Amino acid sequence: DADVTQTPRNRITKTGKRIMLECSQTKGHDRMYWYRQDPGLGLRLIYYSFDVKDINKGEISDGYSVSRQAQAKFSLSLESAIPNQTALYFCATSSGVTQYFGPGTRLLVL
Amino acid sequence: KQEVTQIPAALSVPEGENLVLNCSFTDSAIYNLQWFRQDPGKGLTSLLLIQSSQREQTSGRLNASLDKSSGRSTLYIAASQPGDSATYLCAVNYSGAGSYQLTFGKGTKLSVIP
Repeated sequence: DADVTQTPRNRITKTGKRIMLECSQTKGHDRMYWYRQDPGLGLRLIYYSFDVKDINKGEISDGYSVSRQAQAKFSLSLESAIPNQTALYFCATSSGVTQYFGPGTRLLVL
Repeated sequence: KQEVTQIPAALSVPEGENLVLNCSFTDSAIYNLQWFRQDPGKGLTSLLLIQSSQREQTSGRLNASLDKSSGRSTLYIAASQPGDSATYLCAVNYSGAGSYQLTFGKGTKLSVIP
């Protein structure tokens, strides 16, 4: 079984809809991250969390919110999706040295 | 603000050739630098991590070097194979970003032709 899982793997939604992307990890790490990847722009950090009570904004947090429900779970929400949020979204975990990435969620906002 | 640049954006080589991927960064106050591999439809896999006090790291056919003073890192791949075809990403953990945040380059897409 994968150490970092993301659901769904693919999602198509319409402008204005609220959606949630979920991430779970079995590595026992305290630190979790959400990134988005756009063609030609690389990976950019959206939010990160160093424990259940610690949530921090990353480089591009506008239009997104997160919830750390437990040490192993970190969810990303788009309250009102817009087309420029179409991207590949990655969750990652870390014990403080390297980061371990999930397989990604491909999101299309029409 | 830290900026990470990778050159070239894409590279195509025949199987068996040795090759070098380049990464440069603007702020030399880094904790470490990592090289990742990304396969289509999959997440990122960490290949090598170099601490700021180190000059290089090796894993199998891969060798990564770090010159912090000049803001450069290279990833050397020896005897390339078709299975090496992927996008390679360089990421820097620098002190200005707080505790363990990564700034990524845009990647080099490598194609190894059989």
